[in-house]
Amino acid sequence: DAKTTQPPSMDCAEGRAANLPCNHSTISGNEYVYWYRQIHSQGPQYIIHGLKNNETNEMASLIITEDRKSSTLILPHATLRDTAVYYCIVRAPVGGADGLTFGKGTHLIIQP
Amino acid sequence: NAGVTQTPKFQVLKTGQSMTLQCAQDMNHEYMSWYRQDPGMGLRLIHYSVGAGITDQGEVPNGYNVSRSTTEDFPLRLLSAAPSQTSVYFCASSYSRAAGTQYFGPGTRLTVL
Repeated sequence: DAKTTQPPSMDCAEGRAANLPCNHSTISGNEYVYWYRQIHSQGPQYIIHGLKNNETNEMASLIITEDRKSSTLILPHATLRDTAVYYCIVRAPVGGADGLTFGKGTHLIIQP
Repeated sequence: NAGVTQTPKFQVLKTGQSMTLQCAQDMNHEYMSWYRQDPGMGLRLIHYSVGAGITDQGEVPNGYNVSRSTTEDFPLRLLSAAPSQTSVYFCASSYSRAAGTQYFGPGTRLTVL
């Protein structure tokens, strides 16, 4: 699976949009981009995933660049409960590594 | 629908003791896995199972055993606990091996003295 690079930490004001970047310049054509988050002391929680089109669900939006070498997770109206470590993971459904490869992620802190 | 449940939430062992961490899911998922998370680190895969009766090793399998006798349960056994196994353990499940959408349990915090 391709490697990802994320900033170690970010701040965002409550009520504003939080934009979390991820670089995955070696991504292959069959690899999806997944985002998970881990609130302190809890198990990771799936947020969203995509292949090449932008995706939106009730939690977030995922913007993937046209060359697929980077993506941005957008939390449109961040709340204090969104403070967590956010993981960007690239994974192929077939032929890739088993499980999910978690890096160190981005620690997003929502400021009141 | 409880999702993925894990017991116990906390456990303290002495070096050399054995124990079993329990994991159960009620979503009829084929794929289940165990991860460990050490301070400041991402999760690392210990063992996984693609269905009842089938298990395989992940990235860090040494010192752990697993079995999968039913679809619902996937226990993790520590054979002879060591201080290096002090960690938080997470169980996860998904409907198939190919699925990247996995559901995680709340974790078991294990301390080995």
